[in-house]
Amino acid sequence: KNQVEQSPQSLIILEGKNCTLQCNYTVSPFSNLRWYKQDTGRGPVSLTIMTFSENTKSNGRYTATLDADTKQSSLHITASQLSDSASYICVVSRGGADGLTFGKGTHLIIQP
Amino acid sequence: IAGITQAPTSQILAAGRRMTLRCTQDMRHNAMYWYRQDLGLGLRLIHYSNTAGTTGKGEVPDGYSVSRANTDDFPLTLASAVPSQTSVYFCASRPSRSDTQYFGPGTRLTVL
Repeated sequence: KNQVEQSPQSLIILEGKNCTLQCNYTVSPFSNLRWYKQDTGRGPVSLTIMTFSENTKSNGRYTATLDADTKQSSLHITASQLSDSASYICVVSRGGADGLTFGKGTHLIIQP
Repeated sequence: IAGITQAPTSQILAAGRRMTLRCTQDMRHNAMYWYRQDLGLGLRLIHYSNTAGTTGKGEVPDGYSVSRANTDDFPLTLASAVPSQTSVYFCASRPSRSDTQYFGPGTRLTVL
């Protein structure tokens, strides 16, 4: 069964600290993996996308990694800011219109 | 209009009533999607459309119908609402040569 598991379910850190969110998947075949950020009351917004051949990609203070062999990805946030408070959703694509499998997300809270 | 819009923002509906959620995009994206997001379950695909005139069923299509008369609009209809359809509904669109989906702001629907 195609699944995407994210951990932790929720996380609270102090402003300025770093954190890493995890994503494990069993989706097959694999097309790409994407991290989305969803602010409270808003729709998800794409942060990064990685294909099979890419093992790291950065977007400002966000760095995503992918290990296609172990089927694991991580999202590292450096020097966290209050605006980083959001849910972060890992999405794995098999390709095709209905080929996305969504994780349940990690709810991140940055405290001042 | 800039991007993708949804209406209404929120709605409280009596069980058994008919309801149409509206979604409009001005990006000329061919593919459009409807998701529901429930606490603890993440985003689940209801219906999708690869191009105007075509639609397909997602993971949880029962109780919902869609139409795609033109490129810009993709309404979602609940023929006879039930309390289990209480959720936040997101519409998304995707350009032809990309896997990136662009999400609307969501509609919060409560069925009593």
